[in-house]
Amino acid sequence: GQQVMQIPQYQHVQEGEDFTTYCNSSTTLSNIQWYKQRPGGHPVFLIQLVKSGEVKKQKRLTFQFGEAKKNSSLHITATQTTDVGTYFCAGLSSNTGKLIFGQGTTLQVKP
Amino acid sequence: DSGVTQTPKHLITATGQRVTLRCSPRSGDLSVYWYQQSLDQGLQFLIQYYNGEERAKGNILERFSAQQFPDLHSELNLSSLELGDSALYFCASSVQGVNSPLHFGNGTRLTVT
Repeated sequence: GQQVMQIPQYQHVQEGEDFTTYCNSSTTLSNIQWYKQRPGGHPVFLIQLVKSGEVKKQKRLTFQFGEAKKNSSLHITATQTTDVGTYFCAGLSSNTGKLIFGQGTTLQVKP
Repeated sequence: DSGVTQTPKHLITATGQRVTLRCSPRSGDLSVYWYQQSLDQGLQFLIQYYNGEERAKGNILERFSAQQFPDLHSELNLSSLELGDSALYFCASSVQGVNSPLHFGNGTRLTVT
């Protein structure tokens, strides 16, 4: 079945360093959503990308949707301890209409 | 606060038992989703309802069933529980379908002993 692969699974960074997580789908996506789950919390919606090549920014976070609409990335500039958590991408399959979550990237930030 | 309410917050039960998890979606949201999250695992999609009807099915076991009622709240029933069913169960809701953002509840932590 369709899969959405997310890498890396874990990332430890020093506060102030940059961080990137990548999301790849085996099939074309209609859109991609990103969520953040703090430790002990529930996933919280961050953003949705719809257009091929789309780039959106939220303060220090930059989200990109690939030209082929099969991959996406989330980049955090100058990480802070408040960025700690697990970041999930979720791709909406063009074929099945199902929203498939990646396995998530867990970010640890050392102060 | 996402506006999605899940009860109970914690549930501890024995193998072979049956439990019911309840979810009230955000006001105005028609779709309800159920996800299972095991320790250090991602979000496994179980099932989606839209306005009372089943819309999509994921990796939901035959021992599990769900429904969405006319008032749009939803229940997830887990029966013949096994140790491996221990997990965090999230309910999410959205305005319409998966084209709109999902809003997750705080989850129900199920422990099967």
